[in-house]
Amino acid sequence: NAGVTQTPKFRVLKTGQSMTLLCAQDMNHEYMYWYRQDPGMGLRLIHYSVGEGTTAKGEVPDGYNVSRLKKQNFLLGLESAAPSQTSVYFCASSQTRTSGKGETQYFGPGTRLLVL
Amino acid sequence: DAKTTQPPSMDCAEGRAANLPCNHSTISGNEYVYWYRQIHSQGPQYIIHGLKNNETNEMASLIITEDRKSSTLILPHATLRDTAVYYCIVRVAGNNAGNMLTFGGGTRLMVKP
Repeated sequence: NAGVTQTPKFRVLKTGQSMTLLCAQDMNHEYMYWYRQDPGMGLRLIHYSVGEGTTAKGEVPDGYNVSRLKKQNFLLGLESAAPSQTSVYFCASSQTRTSGKGETQYFGPGTRLLVL
Repeated sequence: DAKTTQPPSMDCAEGRAANLPCNHSTISGNEYVYWYRQIHSQGPQYIIHGLKNNETNEMASLIITEDRKSSTLILPHATLRDTAVYYCIVRVAGNNAGNMLTFGGGTRLMVKP
């Protein structure tokens, strides 16, 4: 199993450009998440999905959109990139909402985004 | 979810046990204690979790005080590869916020030769 993979690994954008970050998981997990991490900070949840075709806002959703058309993929879109969106983006997935190990989140390697 | 307090940094000698404390004095009865770590430039990695009993797995041990207001993550024989930021997270199992993990500042553990 590859686990959670993210594409691309690194990207440079100009202000106003758009892009889509792809997250894929091969563990048949129901839940998927997008986080951002700014330098020296903890992770903050952007959006999440509790199943195919469903998405919800997290802590910092402004400026981002997401889609979950297939269970294994979770896309994060930036319609008009801003310098404040320069960050490292992590995708994660988890199996179920019930207590115990099933709630463990498995993270991808991250996408480093620089917006000039 | 209850807030947690961790020391910003700690050092540990290679081969020794690393004991990382976490205070969660406002923890509720149905909240679990989770530990994740983040090695430089990588995604966070799950380590262990518990409710009220002490837990042990292949990576670490988790000691939770009887009143559940604090806990300690123990890496029994720290190696240089254990150098990372360790996050203590307290949260309700199966809450409606999509299993949101709230990451605070964590403890930066430096394992030295």
